[in-house]
Amino acid sequence: SYELTQPLSVSVSLGQTARITCGGNNIGSKNVHWYQQKPGQAPVLVIYRDSNRPSGIPERFSGSNSGNTATLTISRAQAGDEADYYCQVWDSSAVVFGGGTKLTVL
Amino acid sequence: EVQLVESGGGLVQPGGSLRLSCGTSTFTFSNYWMNWVRQAPGKGLEWVANIKQDGSEKYYVDSVKGRFTISRDNAKNSLYLQMNSLRAEDTAVYYCARALFGDYSTFDSWGQGTLVTVSS
Repeated sequence: SYELTQPLSVSVSLGQTARITCGGNNIGSKNVHWYQQKPGQAPVLVIYRDSNRPSGIPERFSGSNSGNTATLTISRAQAGDEADYYCQVWDSSAVVFGGGTKLTVL
Repeated sequence: EVQLVESGGGLVQPGGSLRLSCGTSTFTFSNYWMNWVRQAPGKGLEWVANIKQDGSEKYYVDSVKGRFTISRDNAKNSLYLQMNSLRAEDTAVYYCARALFGDYSTFDSWGQGTLVTVSS
C-alpha cells in the first residue's frame, strides 16, 4: 500500500518560514492535500490539489509538489499556526494520510 | 456555513456493534461524496470509508472491510456507518467529512466527531 512520510516535528521562529515535507513514491504525479488540526478540534483543509487555498485560508499558506516530495510552506509563521499538519492523497481506491507533523512556533 | 453533526458514539464491548450517524441541513447533501475518518487517541488521521452521491460506489480501508458498512439517506440528509465485530483498535473519534464539490477524496468540511470506545 502507498505510504506518505512526514517528519514528526518541525520548529519555526515567530515570523519565519516553516516547511513541512511529505514524501511518497512519485508523489508528484498525485494530487496532494494538506490539513491543519489544533488540539481538540476537527481538521481544517488548508491546501488542496498541491497548491490551492480554500477560501478563508491566509496567503501565507502555500504548497508545492514534485518528484517524491510535496511541501507545505507557511510564511511569516504566527503563534496561531502551531498545530498538527497532515498530508493526504488518493491511491488505489483509498485515501492515504501521512503520519502528521507537529509544528512548533518558537 | 457548512455544519455536520455526528452522533451514535459510545462504549461498546469487543465484538459488539454500533451505528454512527451524521446529519446536516446546511447544504445540498445529495450533491457530495461523503466520508468517515477516524483518529485514535493521540494518533494520526485514518480514513475509513467513502460513498458516492447516489450510494452506487463505496470504498473502505482494508482494516474495516467486511465489518463496517457506509450508507446514506439523501432524503434525510444523513450519512451512516454501521460498525460490527468491533475491536479495541477501532477505538477512536470518528469524523464525518464532506468532499469538495466534484471531488471524492478532498475533505473541505468536517464534523466535530463522535467518540467510539471499544472495551470490556
